[in-house]
Amino acid sequence: DVKVTQSSRYLVKRTGEKVFLECVQDMDHENMFWYRQDPGLGLRLIYFSYDVKMKEKGDIPEGYSVSREKKERFSLILESASTNQTSMYLCASSRPWEIPTNEKLFFGSGTQLSVL
Amino acid sequence: GQQLNQSPQSMFIQEGEDVSMNCTSSSIFNTWLWYKQDPGEGPVLLIALYKAGELTSNGRLTAQFGITRKDSFLNISASIPSDVGIYFCAGPSNTGNQFYFGTGTSLTVIP
Repeated sequence: DVKVTQSSRYLVKRTGEKVFLECVQDMDHENMFWYRQDPGLGLRLIYFSYDVKMKEKGDIPEGYSVSREKKERFSLILESASTNQTSMYLCASSRPWEIPTNEKLFFGSGTQLSVL
Repeated sequence: GQQLNQSPQSMFIQEGEDVSMNCTSSSIFNTWLWYKQDPGEGPVLLIALYKAGELTSNGRLTAQFGITRKDSFLNISASIPSDVGIYFCAGPSNTGNQFYFGTGTSLTVIP
């Protein structure tokens, strides 16, 4: 089974702090994604990466950056956390989508971030 | 990004009842996925559909890929308390490595 591991289940940070959310997958997947999930807004894509050192902006990249130095690890960085970044953050991975049966995401358990 | 229209938003049912939910899009999808999310956890893939008209089962769950390719349905038969959670539909974009998600159906099963 695919395992996507997010380093923290719960995080509490202060406004202005730099925050790192780490995600590791063990299935050699090329694609990795960061989403945030808010009540009533569903899942929104922040960034994704389809290869080491490659990254693409999603729908809501403002206030975030990412790092993909190794294939198995994808980090989300909040340079200066703000209260409106309080949310559930979900990491996901997948194989490349050249064949339809690869078109599925595997999610981590999520990190609930509170910014005070 | 595109949002899929999922309904109903929430359901409260008695244990043993059957459940139906659906997801619609203004665009055609080549793949439909259904996920379940338990409280405080990440979504878990339940069923993947790859062909229009396809009907696929996973235990008490059955999902269908609509003929128009713009909709999909999920049915749960004989619900049990552990079916509680939020169910999401999802479909990949045609242009790249992005998924679009429904807003979710929250299911409560009353014992």
